[in-house]
Amino acid sequence: AQSVTQPDIHITVSEGASLELRCNYSYGATPYLFWYVQSPGQGLQLLLKYFSGDTLVQGIKGFEAEFKRSQSSFNLRKPSVHWSDAAEYFCAVGMDSNYQLIWGAGTKLIIKP
Amino acid sequence: GAVVSQHPSWVICKSGTSVKIECRSLDFQATTMFWYRQFPKQSLMLMATSNEGSKATYEQGVEKDKFLINHASLTLSTLTVTSAHPEDSSFYICSAMGSGNTIYFGEGSWLTVV
Repeated sequence: AQSVTQPDIHITVSEGASLELRCNYSYGATPYLFWYVQSPGQGLQLLLKYFSGDTLVQGIKGFEAEFKRSQSSFNLRKPSVHWSDAAEYFCAVGMDSNYQLIWGAGTKLIIKP
Repeated sequence: GAVVSQHPSWVICKSGTSVKIECRSLDFQATTMFWYRQFPKQSLMLMATSNEGSKATYEQGVEKDKFLINHASLTLSTLTVTSAHPEDSSFYICSAMGSGNTIYFGEGSWLTVV
């Protein structure tokens, strides 16, 4: 069965430090890959997506993610986090053209001053 | 940019009553909308796919008669939780597919059944 794993339930990072959020998926073919952010009191916002092509994807707010087929991973990175990045981050995988998504459990990012 | 609006954002209802949640695409037409449910400390779970003018496709384990989905127009899909019970209390999110198959999410609706 298809699945998405975000191994870290929460991560604490100092402001200005680098960030990497992990996402692994289980799927036979190449999926469509997404990272969403859910800030407190707000809806989900798409950070970036990978459909095909360059495996290093640039997104909004200074985020990027790299698709590694051999590792079935799509980790999210940011060189220097800001306090406003504190939120919950969800990795999602789409399997077909209908874009139904399978979601990871989310990783809560906590920023230390 | 494209906006998806959900209403209400918060709703409290009595056990046994029904409650309707609306999902509107404000500046684009969406032939396909999705309804998700988010359990505490768990990921979003797809409940159903709603296609304009046809019956919704429900995911396994989702009760069709309890979670009624109607997608009567290209800009509106509704989710009605019928005979709500406390275990139905959750965060419900809709998304709509816009041009280029880009998916836009609503802000979500918190349902509390008392």
